[in-house]
Amino acid sequence: EVQVVESGGDLVQPGGSLRLSCAASTFTFSSYSMNWVRQAPGKGLEWVSYISARGSTIYYADSVKGRFTISRDNAKNSLYLQMHSLRAEDTAVYYCASEGNWGSYFNYWGQGTPVTVSS
Amino acid sequence: DIQMTQSPSSLSASVGDRVTITCRASQGISNSLAWYRQKPGKAPKLLLYAASTLESGVPSRFSGSGSGTDFTLTISSLQPEDFATYYCQQYYNTPPITFGQGTRLEIK
Repeated sequence: EVQVVESGGDLVQPGGSLRLSCAASTFTFSSYSMNWVRQAPGKGLEWVSYISARGSTIYYADSVKGRFTISRDNAKNSLYLQMHSLRAEDTAVYYCASEGNWGSYFNYWGQGTPVTVSS
Repeated sequence: DIQMTQSPSSLSASVGDRVTITCRASQGISNSLAWYRQKPGKAPKLLLYAASTLESGVPSRFSGSGSGTDFTLTISSLQPEDFATYYCQQYYNTPPITFGQGTRLEIK
């Protein structure tokens, strides 16, 4: 069974930084594009960032552009999200999700890691 | 950006009922639409993609239809585990990928 496990979520002060990690197993990680999706408390789903299978193409939501950086290490089957200049509105559960074979829908999700931005 | 609007925002139903949820795109998206179910405290789970293709392992009581701007998710006979929140998502014109606001399905 495919496993996707996020880590790194924490309580951080406004303006602070945090690095999230996502470890994937039992699927060919290096063949799939990956994404970060977040969900603020009691709210809906918000796409955050995309990285292609080899890391050559990257996209960000306008709400995080210039503050967040997505990266991956295919040798370690790992995805990362470096977050800087964090704001209260970045408070959310962050999910790592892989894309399906036929388009940018999300077939495998991790359990999520919570990020709280508060003083 | 393409806006996705779901209706209703919430509905109440009983085990065994047939329910339909609608998703409308602000512009045509062909059939580039996915549906997810999210139980409280859990990650979303993919149900359908390409508007009507059932993801492997998903029960056949789930079905989807539509193309262009109007889409529906139908659950033919509600089971206890189906009381959850449902989201549609477009992947036709990205970035950004966009989701509907969600439909909360509650037990009557």
